[in-house]
Amino acid sequence: DTGVSQDPRHKITKRGQNVTFRCDPISEHNRLYWYRQTLGQGPEFLTYFQNEAQLEKSRLLSDRFSAERPKGSFSTLEIQRTEQGDSAMYLCASSLSPDTNYGYTFGSGTRLTVV
Amino acid sequence: RKEVEQDPGPFNVPEGATVAFNCTYSNSASQSFFWYRQDCRKEPKLLMSVYSSGNEDGRFTAQLNRASQYISLLIRDSKLSDSATYLCAVNPPSGGYNKLIFGAGTRLAVHP
Repeated sequence: DTGVSQDPRHKITKRGQNVTFRCDPISEHNRLYWYRQTLGQGPEFLTYFQNEAQLEKSRLLSDRFSAERPKGSFSTLEIQRTEQGDSAMYLCASSLSPDTNYGYTFGSGTRLTVV
Repeated sequence: RKEVEQDPGPFNVPEGATVAFNCTYSNSASQSFFWYRQDCRKEPKLLMSVYSSGNEDGRFTAQLNRASQYISLLIRDSKLSDSATYLCAVNPPSGGYNKLIFGAGTRLAVHP
């Protein structure tokens, strides 16, 4: 496996349900990012992990959102009590520090539809 | 004002044409700059980094103008396969990690 993996690829859920997405970064990468992208917009930063520590959360990440990265490997993003406005593509990316001169690699994303 | 702004397009060009996109950023202390390509319903893929002196990768040339706070992407000899959305991304000062702020993208459609 040489890329960032995300699961599931697609998720349809009813409003009010909880959903959880998983991201497996490139194995040696210690930095992991979650982004959200809606139609016609660029990816918006949600949160960042360095190893297992969550170092920044965007104000886009309401109390209904929680992300974890136990043991500094894979990460999960949970959305509780989903709303229709949560419908979006959720993208995960990883990188290796220090790397401010390099962009990072995204996974294929999880497309969430809340009905 | 948005941190990173792009003309949404679409830019409709014939095969073989040269096309250029600009992207402006608001934080003058931004450190790194990138162009990503995104195909419909796919994830963004890194196209190229943008270096201070400008850089070229085949038919693609990226430039940075710090004084006017914009980056540009030039595509020469456009191919049908270049049709996509081009996202610029900027790494603002953020405590040393690689957080990227993306523009909304510029859509390019290359026609025969």
